Order: sequence, then structure tokens, then C-alpha cells
Amino acid sequence: EADIYQTPRYLVIGTGKKITLECSQTMGHDKMYWYQQDPGMELHLIHYSYGVNSTEKGDLSSESTVSRIRTEHFPLTLESARPSHTSQYLCASSEPGENTEAFFGQGTRLTVV
Amino acid sequence: GEDVEQSLFLSVREGDSSVINCTYTDSSSTYLYWYKQEPGAGLQLLTYIFSNMDMKQDQRLTVLLNKKDKHLSLRIADTQTGDSAIYFCAESFSGGYNKLIFGAGTRLAVHP
Repeated sequence: EADIYQTPRYLVIGTGKKITLECSQTMGHDKMYWYQQDPGMELHLIHYSYGVNSTEKGDLSSESTVSRIRTEHFPLTLESARPSHTSQYLCASSEPGENTEAFFGQGTRLTVV
Repeated sequence: GEDVEQSLFLSVREGDSSVINCTYTDSSSTYLYWYKQEPGAGLQLLTYIFSNMDMKQDQRLTVLLNKKDKHLSLRIADTQTGDSAIYFCAESFSGGYNKLIFGAGTRLAVHP
């Protein structure tokens, strides 16, 4: 069982609101990731982190921002939610190295109305 | 460029074998993975294969890699209803941040 948690699981919010999606892992992993997944589509990497105070943009451009103040915590923030942000957001973590298993959280399904 | 493609749906009868296929475009990948996603859950690593191997067997799972054709397959023997899920193919690349490129996933439906 993976020790990586995302909250909330589901969120419906109005346009223009600021939201933060939480992701926490208790495995001490240095690397953490955020993926965006639309129904029937690929997972797209939007942010990643090598460790504390490290954050990088992924392959898919996103208006969201992330922070990594603590190893175990990698929150994602949208300053002003829009309907185009409606999607599923998956957080993952892994140990350093080329072939290491990525552990995924259960995801947050975000709907912006 | 990096691209991973999978067929979206597969339906099989319980007890039969399932074969899920994946093609990828970037030959510099180092590892190829199969992840499973059950309803309402995150992705779970099922198995992986190093890019210089052509086959890996793990209980009911057999992974075949044809590097020349850039084709990866996952065979599930004696498919059970509990195998119903979405299966994602992914490839990773050496260096950097353990970047994983995912396909869109194949939804496997197992019927009696």
C-alpha cells in the first residue's frame, strides 16, 4: 500500500476561486510529481520536484504553481480557477535513480463551474 | 518526440488471456512500465522491463518488448474479473528527474 495521500478527493468550485490541492507522502521520497489526466487521455506531467526548495515545470504547460517547503508535502495551487482547469490531478513520488517505482495518490477530481 | 499509444478498450472472457499492446516513438527510453488503475484509485506499478530485455515473466503477467518495432505488450494469463481496470504503458528516460511518459490507458473489461 502506497503511503501517499491527496486531499480533497473531489472538489467542485466556482470560477475565480483560489484552490490548493494537497499531496503528502510518508516514504521520505525526494522526488515528487504532479500529473494532469483528462478522461481517456494520457497523464501529462505538469510539475516535479527533486527535493526541498526544488520545483520545475513539466511537459504540459499549466497555470498552477507548486511549492516544496518540506520533503513530505507538495501542494499545487491555482490562484484563479477556470472551467478549463477541470481535470483529474494525480500526485506521485519516487526515490532517486533511473528505475524506481513511482507511487501515486488516489487523485483529486477537480470541477470548476 | 516522445509519444506512447495504446488502444482504448479491450474486452475478454474470464479465464482467457488478455493482451494489451503499446507502441512508443522514442527509442532512447531506458525502462518501460505497465501501471494498473482501478476505479477510484491511483496508479499502481504492475511490472517493468529494461530496454535491453525482450521478455519478462512475473506470475500471470508476461511482458514482451520488440525494440526494433518499438512495441510493448502485456499478456495476462487466466484473466479474472479482478483484473478489470485501466492499464497504462509508460516509458522512462535516463538522466534528469525519472521522467515518465504515459499512454492514454487501455480499459480492460472482463466478462463471465
